[in-house]
Amino acid sequence: GEDVEQSLFLSVREGDSSVINCTYTDSSSTYLYWYKQEPGAGLQLLTYIFSNMDMKQDQRLTVLLNKKDKHLSLRIADTQTGDSAIYFCAEKPGNTPLVFGKGTRLSVIA
Amino acid sequence: NAGVMQNPRHLVRRRGQEARLRCSPMKGHSHVYWYRQLPEEGLKFMVYLQKENIIDESGMPKERFSAEFPKEGPSILRIQQVVRGDSAAYFCASSPSSDEQYFGPGTRLTVT
Repeated sequence: GEDVEQSLFLSVREGDSSVINCTYTDSSSTYLYWYKQEPGAGLQLLTYIFSNMDMKQDQRLTVLLNKKDKHLSLRIADTQTGDSAIYFCAEKPGNTPLVFGKGTRLSVIA
Repeated sequence: NAGVMQNPRHLVRRRGQEARLRCSPMKGHSHVYWYRQLPEEGLKFMVYLQKENIIDESGMPKERFSAEFPKEGPSILRIQQVVRGDSAAYFCASSPSSDEQYFGPGTRLTVT
């Protein structure tokens, strides 16, 4: 079945790097996504990676994909207090809707 | 280009009443998705629509819930005879194709 797993909490100091991990189950997933949700807000698409890529970098964000282990990570360099939010990993198996993890709550300590 | 619009942002209904949630997709987007988020949970897919068609409603409860995306106007998610368990945040997303999805701010439904 479809199941996306994430750790629920992560706490980092301001200026450090954050690494949020995710495992997914469907090897047919063509795209994998990271969304950010701030309190009381909708989901903001941060980045996504196509399944034939190993890495994607976009400013402070680096996405790593290990297809063999079905493991996806999001690294945020120089984490700021404004990065405090819930980060959702999502997969898209074939032509089906997005399947989300439960989200990782990132707390940034000043 | 305005983002995905949802209204109302907050909706309070008594048990047994009807809730209507509206979603206006981004300009040029013909794909609309509805998701439900329970407290401390991720988003669960409910329904996927294109103009005048329901493409996939596998996540929609069989009773009391319906969705439409008419030729003109917003997509509507309708919940009849609401119960306390319907209290959640309902998010709409739109897409120009079936890949990237852009989310609205959500409607937070509270059933008292």
